[in-house]
Amino acid sequence: DAGVTQSPTHLIKTRGQQVTLRCSPKSGHDTVSWYQQALGQGPQFIFQYYEEEERQRGNFPDRFSGHQFPNYSSELNVNALLLGDSALYLCASSLLGVQETQYFGPGTRLLVL
Amino acid sequence: QQQVKQSPQSLIVQKGGIPIINCAYENTAFDYFPWYQQFPGKGPALLIAIRPDVSEKKEGRFTISFNKSAKQFSLHIMDSQPGDSATYFCAASSADSWGKLQFGAGTQVVVTP
Repeated sequence: DAGVTQSPTHLIKTRGQQVTLRCSPKSGHDTVSWYQQALGQGPQFIFQYYEEEERQRGNFPDRFSGHQFPNYSSELNVNALLLGDSALYLCASSLLGVQETQYFGPGTRLLVL
Repeated sequence: QQQVKQSPQSLIVQKGGIPIINCAYENTAFDYFPWYQQFPGKGPALLIAIRPDVSEKKEGRFTISFNKSAKQFSLHIMDSQPGDSATYFCAASSADSWGKLQFGAGTQVVVTP
């Protein structure tokens, strides 16, 4: 049973560019949440998707957007990249109504130069 | 504004010792308190979680103590092993924001042989 998978594992971009990160949830899960983890800090909630709609959003600008597909996989898009966007981006999947089962993927390490 | 405050930032214990990590919160709506373990280059892994109606929960060598009146909770790692060396995060969420985890800043634990 595959857990949460994310791609790519690492990514290098320059300021002003756009990036798309991908996430496949654990089998049987229908909800995907995205988090940003800066070096040496705890993860910060970006947003959550369920039934292809954004259910909740953290304190992140509109440059951060997402999408969920019918197969529950999800994408995180970041436009107009800033140096401060350099971080580990984590995807977590869960089953609606069972908040304990929030499983994290290995993350995508984004470096913005 | 960090809603969950975690301490200490780091600690070193000898094998067999009991590292203790403390967390405090202000939001009385929080009703779910998980702990995550993160190894370098990996995503956070759920260790153990507790709800406010329980004062203590044990799973293997990991114990959560919860003090609802003080709005504090802590993680104890009994009989610690070098393989427990990792960064530990406490987190909290509320029923009205299910899935939106608020993380502490993390504690780096080193267990020496």
